[in-house]
Amino acid sequence: LAKTTQPISMDSYEGQEVNITCSHNNIATNDYITWYQQFPSQGPRFIIQGYKTKVTNEVASLFIPADRKSSTLSLPRVSLSDTAVYYCLVVNNTDKLIFGTGTRLQVFP
Amino acid sequence: ETGVTQTPRHLVMGMTNKKSLKCEQHLGHNAMYWYKQSAKKPLELMFVYSLEERVENNSVPSRFSPECPNSSHLFLHLHTLQPEDSALYLCASSQELRGQGLYEQYFGPGTRLTVT
Repeated sequence: LAKTTQPISMDSYEGQEVNITCSHNNIATNDYITWYQQFPSQGPRFIIQGYKTKVTNEVASLFIPADRKSSTLSLPRVSLSDTAVYYCLVVNNTDKLIFGTGTRLQVFP
Repeated sequence: ETGVTQTPRHLVMGMTNKKSLKCEQHLGHNAMYWYKQSAKKPLELMFVYSLEERVENNSVPSRFSPECPNSSHLFLHLHTLQPEDSALYLCASSQELRGQGLYEQYFGPGTRLTVT
């Protein structure tokens, strides 16, 4: 199973760009990199998924280097409402649905 | 609103009670999941149903019993629970395409369960 490692917490201020890096050294060929966001007492919400290079949607960008051993979630111009826990998952089949402890992002005014 | 609903939202039960959690998805998905999230712990995958067939059971105690009567409904039957089973129970659904990556899961709001 591809284990992921991410910082336990990060602090930022409104309007800044936040980059959260996830390490997944033993990622397999068929694995996809997926990020979720979770607010307190709510279910996680899908943010973005990618396989290689760069993926961008209306919420975030995901940067994946050629060796795919890490990935970076980029949140442009965060606001207070982006305060949440962010999970990085490496998934292919249901047996790899492992949510780690995530990164707790705190955005200050 | 994610298209996945869960009832009840809050439940308090004694250790000798029997109760059931209900999940319904309105997204036309073919896979449904139960997760447990205890305080300050990661989400734990409990059960997975794909096309109404249970395909995953992560060593969950038998006091938790899932049921998936059709692709839109998922139940978690609870009996003789322990206080350490108090947690947020989350249901999720997805459109599973085998061998083509795991597409996004849609989570319900969860049921906050307290066992006294």
